Amino acid sequence: QVQLQESGPGLVQPSETLSLTCAVSGDSMITHYWSWIRQSPGKGLEWIGYVYYTGGTKYNPSLRGRATISLDQSNKRFSLKMTSVSAADTAVYYCARYNWNYGIDYWGQGTLVTVSS
Amino acid sequence: DILMTQSPSSLSASVGDRVTITCQASQDISDNLNWYHQKPGKAPRFLIYDASNLEIGVPSRFSGSGSGTEFTFTITSLQPEDYGSYYCQQYETFPLTFGGGTKVEI
Repeated sequence: QVQLQESGPGLVQPSETLSLTCAVSGDSMITHYWSWIRQSPGKGLEWIGYVYYTGGTKYNPSLRGRATISLDQSNKRFSLKMTSVSAADTAVYYCARYNWNYGIDYWGQGTLVTVSS
Repeated sequence: DILMTQSPSSLSASVGDRVTITCQASQDISDNLNWYHQKPGKAPRFLIYDASNLEIGVPSRFSGSGSGTEFTFTITSLQPEDYGSYYCQQYETFPLTFGGGTKVEI
């Protein structure tokens, strides 16, 4: 069974960098794409981007280049960094598996990140 | 970006009722549409892919139909555990986009 687990700070200062990691178990990281999605009351569910095992990435243009997703195959983890955060980035952040044929099929449990001083 | 519009935004129904949710895409997405169910405080659960195919383990009271720009999600006999929010999501084009959700109250 595929399982994903997010980890990282729950509180980030405005203008700082948000950093989250997702641990993957039950799947090979070379078979799918690995995504981050966030959910906030104001904006609903928003896809952030994905990383492939080759290191290739794709991002939502709405984030204006602030997001970077990277992969650590040896430790079966992938990470999200988002720079210059503001209160608008406060959300529950989910890591997820993107299946090229079926879309997002597995989700982590989510982690709340609050941007506040 | 492809805009996904769900309706209604909320509904209240009784156990045993038939419930229908619609999702409209702002452009043709073929059948590249998923449906998810989310309970409060939990991650979304994957229910349906390719607009009408049930994920393994999903009860048969759930179904989906449609293609192009108009899609329907149906629960044929609402159960107490079906409360929560339901979301459609297109994967025809990046960025992936989601509907605004339908909150179902029992």
